[in-house]
Amino acid sequence: SQKIEQNSEALNIQEGKTATLTCNYTNYSPAYLQWYRQDPGRGPVFLLLIRENEKEKRKERLKVTFDTTLKQSLFHITASQPADSATYLCVLGTDSWGKFQFGAGTQVVVTP
Amino acid sequence: NAGVTQTPKFRILKIGQSMTLQCTQDMNHNYMYWYRQDPGMGLKLIYYSVGAGITDKGEVPNGYNVSRSTTEDFPLRLELAAPSQTSVYFCASSYPRQATNEKLFFGSGTQLSVL
Repeated sequence: SQKIEQNSEALNIQEGKTATLTCNYTNYSPAYLQWYRQDPGRGPVFLLLIRENEKEKRKERLKVTFDTTLKQSLFHITASQPADSATYLCVLGTDSWGKFQFGAGTQVVVTP
Repeated sequence: NAGVTQTPKFRILKIGQSMTLQCTQDMNHNYMYWYRQDPGMGLKLIYYSVGAGITDKGEVPNGYNVSRSTTEDFPLRLELAAPSQTSVYFCASSYPRQATNEKLFFGSGTQLSVL
């Protein structure tokens, strides 16, 4: 069956360091992958999208890699700040409209 | 722009009661979705709609109904509430220019408890 795995344990990191989150998937061939941020009591907010033919995408302090051979995406937050504390969701998409698979998310806690 | 607006924010239901979760968007998006989020689980699709008058089931539709009479509104109806429907519900919308560029815009969620 299709499976998406994100670290269930919270990632505790010191301000200024780089946070790296992992998203692994099995039995799935996504056309693209997205990362969303979710704060407590709020809905997810879109951050980045990377397509299957792209290796890396950047947006400000965020970087995403996508390795379709390893079936893995890495999400990096460089120079992390306490305001980056949130849960980050990995979402796989196909070339069919509206077909998404969500990971359970990884909580990031950045301490001063 | 308000984006995607959900009401109510919180609700407690007794077993067997019914209610409607409201969702409206002002971005003229064709696609709208209802998801539920349970602790430690990824969001699960309940129902979705590709336009006014068109709806379809997602992964977990049992116990729910939807309608889409306008582009803006996509209410979710719970009939005969059960404890298994205790969850956080999110409405989302999208207007994909192409299938590989579809981003979701979410509402702030409805926390529902069925006791």
